[in-house]
Parts: sequence; C-alpha cells; structure tokens
Amino acid sequence: KAGVTQTPRYLIKTRGQQVTLSCSPISGHRSVSWYQQTPGQGLQFLFEYFSETQRNKGNFPGRFSGRQFSNSRSEMNVSTLELGDSALYLCASSRIGGGGGSYEQYFGPGTRLTVT
Amino acid sequence: TQLLEQSPQFLSIQEGENLTVYCNSSSVFSSLQWYRQEPGEGPVLLVTVVTGGEVKKLKRLTFQFGDARKDSSLHITAAQPGDTGLYLCAGEAETSGSRLTFGEGTQLTVNP
Repeated sequence: KAGVTQTPRYLIKTRGQQVTLSCSPISGHRSVSWYQQTPGQGLQFLFEYFSETQRNKGNFPGRFSGRQFSNSRSEMNVSTLELGDSALYLCASSRIGGGGGSYEQYFGPGTRLTVT
Repeated sequence: TQLLEQSPQFLSIQEGENLTVYCNSSSVFSSLQWYRQEPGEGPVLLVTVVTGGEVKKLKRLTFQFGDARKDSSLHITAAQPGDTGLYLCAGEAETSGSRLTFGEGTQLTVNP
C-alpha cells in the first residue's frame, strides 16, 4: 500500500506571495491532518479534515487554510507569506477519526517551504 | 502552551549503552504514541499505548504508559547507530477531540 505523498517536496517563495501544498493520503484513510514543524516550536497542529469537513483547527492565523476533496486528497494554502512561515509542512493521514486510541497517524515526507 | 514535555532534549551516547526518554504532562491522554523522525523525512509511528500501566516492547525498545495516563517513557537497550533520530511523543488528550499534541522531541545520537 502506498504511503502518504506530498508535493512539492521543496519550495522557495518570496514574502507576500501565496503557496498551495498538496497531500495524498494512504488509500482508505479519510482523515488528513496538517502540521508545521520548526526547530524552535516543534510540531504544531494546523488543522484536520475528515470527509471533506474541517473537524479541528490549531492556533494559526487565517492566512493558513485548507480543504479536502471527495477522494480524501487535501491541500493547504498559505497566503501573504511571512519569513516566519519557513518550515517543514507535514501531512498525516489516519484511517478514522480520534478517540479511544484509534488516532494513529501516518506522515508524509513533508514539504520544505523557504520564504525569502 | 506546551502540554507534553519531553526530556532530555538532546542525548548523545555510545553504541551499546541504554537510555530512557521521558514524556510528561498534567493532562490525561486517551492514547499516547511514539514516533521516530529522521532528517528529511516525516515521523514514523513506533507504538501506541492506550491503557494506564501498559508496557509494550518492540525489539530493543520498551514503551510504558503511566498508570494515570499522563506520562510515558521509552527505554532503549543496547543502543545502535541506527537508533539515531528525533523521538517524538504525541498524546490524544481526552478533551481535545481529533487532534494530537506533540512533545518537542528528543534528539538521540548513537555514536559507533
């Protein structure tokens, strides 16, 4: 079974631009979560989508948004990029939602975003 | 607010040594997971513990979930260079719904 794939793997953008990152979950997984990883803050939860609905959201500004399609593929968008948005963006999929220890996540390799 | 605290933050040991990594919180978790991440890759799930007091073994790795489900530990016996990586604990808090909270990680280096 193929793992979680993310595209692109590397991206360089300029301040003020916007960016769209893509994630394809493991076949059969309906939940997709996005995380931002930086050396200073660790892994920070952005949001989670389940059956095309945003089910949970972290403490990030509205410049960060996402969506999920009917085939469970997900995209996240960051508008008006800032230098501090430079990070590794990780997508993770899960077969079902959380609760009772069922929330095991399978991560993709990430997209390394550099904002200059 | 960091709900999960990992210690130590960095650990550099020689091959063959034993080590323990700790993950502590004041929150109760319905489950707790351990991941290992290597440079340039996403975290890989190692184990999930669900029941208070649960102990799981994965070859040379032993994972324990605290009785109160607020803390966990990872013990590695006879560490090998291949164990090098960033070890992350992640908890699914009972009140957080469908989200995981990650600790900041323990960077382990095993020197040959």
